[in-house]
Amino acid sequence: ETGVTQSPTHLIKTRGQQVTLRCSSQSGHNTVSWYQQALGQGPQFIFQYYREEENGRGNFPPRFSGLQFPNYSSELNVNALELDDSALYLCASSTTLAGKGTDTQYFGPGTRLTVL
Amino acid sequence: GEDVEQSLFLSVREGDSSVINCTYTDSSSTYLYWYKQEPGAGLQLLTYIFSNMDMKQDQRLTVLLNKKDKHLSLRIADTQTGDSAIYFCAEIVRGSYIPTFGRGTSLIVHP
Repeated sequence: ETGVTQSPTHLIKTRGQQVTLRCSSQSGHNTVSWYQQALGQGPQFIFQYYREEENGRGNFPPRFSGLQFPNYSSELNVNALELDDSALYLCASSTTLAGKGTDTQYFGPGTRLTVL
Repeated sequence: GEDVEQSLFLSVREGDSSVINCTYTDSSSTYLYWYKQEPGAGLQLLTYIFSNMDMKQDQRLTVLLNKKDKHLSLRIADTQTGDSAIYFCAEIVRGSYIPTFGRGTSLIVHP
């Protein structure tokens, strides 16, 4: 177990609604990344937060937004939900920026979002 | 552009070796990773290799990198039923820190 927790485990929403997903990073980690994993696909990078600021973003529209708090917990907010937003949302924490090779990203178990 | 491809399924007998293959298109990849995802769980980093290496061994895992063919493989020796999972390869290209994942290879280990 990595020490990264996510809540809720599962969530069902309808089109047009808004959703907030939460992630608690592993102790001592100051970087959190969020990924969307559609069924049968690999994870796609949404964005990354480093010391409470967005540090980079993948190819996702502005209705996907996030926050990182001083205790390094994090939220992913999605507005105006669409059917295609149905996916497993993963957060991953690390001690430095993702992509620094040896710095391991520790993934949480994910939140399964279903949009009807 | 970035594109990482993997075969979708691999079935092996317990005790045999498994070889999971991955191809990528961006020659400026700097790091290449293998992750494991078990049902209902997040991704677990298994191993990684720098682009200036050809091979890396870590206990039962051997990673081979062929930069000319842009081909990465993960060999699992003495495959066990507990190795059944989805395996993702991922790359990070020079100048970026955003990993690009393949679609994953579902490894099924049968007795």
